[in-house]
Amino acid sequence: EAGVAQSPRYKIIEKRQSVAFWCNPISGHATLYWYQQILGQGPKLLIQFQNNGVVDDSQLPKDRFSAERLKGVDSTLKIQPAKLEDSAVYLCASSLGLANEQFFGPGTRLTVL
Amino acid sequence: SQQGEEDPQALSIQEGENATMNCSYKTSINNLQWYRQNSGRGLVHLILIRSNEREKHSGRLRVTLDTSKKSSSLLITASRAADTASYFCATTSGTYKYIFGTGTRLKVLA
Repeated sequence: EAGVAQSPRYKIIEKRQSVAFWCNPISGHATLYWYQQILGQGPKLLIQFQNNGVVDDSQLPKDRFSAERLKGVDSTLKIQPAKLEDSAVYLCASSLGLANEQFFGPGTRLTVL
Repeated sequence: SQQGEEDPQALSIQEGENATMNCSYKTSINNLQWYRQNSGRGLVHLILIRSNEREKHSGRLRVTLDTSKKSSSLLITASRAADTASYFCATTSGTYKYIFGTGTRLKVLA
């Protein structure tokens, strides 16, 4: 079974630039999550989709972050414009449904200069 | 916001010893899960315990849950160098929003 795919694996940008991350979940998984993990901290949930609907985005900084999950399969997370404090690893995860175990992708390490 | 607080923040033990880490949380939960994160394999799910369960085992892992104290513990028996990693508890509540804790960094010395 293929795991959760994410791209790119690494990205370096300057502040005020925009960046987009892509995630392809495990086939058949209805729930998709985006997390931000700052070095030394636990993952922080940014947004959670159930199929193509948003279940929770209460911690998504909506003035600069956006996410979509078209057709209920893969998803993109965008930051525009980026700030220095956005430097982190962005993790995508998927699960069969709400409250099932999550399977995580390898993450995208973002550095904002 | 971080709901879970793991304790201790860091733990160093000898191979073959047992490792115990604790997680405390603030609100009522649907379930609690433990995850492991290391540089080689990223974040991996270890075990899930539901709010109506008190104890669960999986191989060398034993998890307990005390909802009256809003706490959980993870015991790793007969630890190995490969168990070196950060361990996180994650809770779901309400609309199954996940909240991860701050993590325990475990180092197992060979």
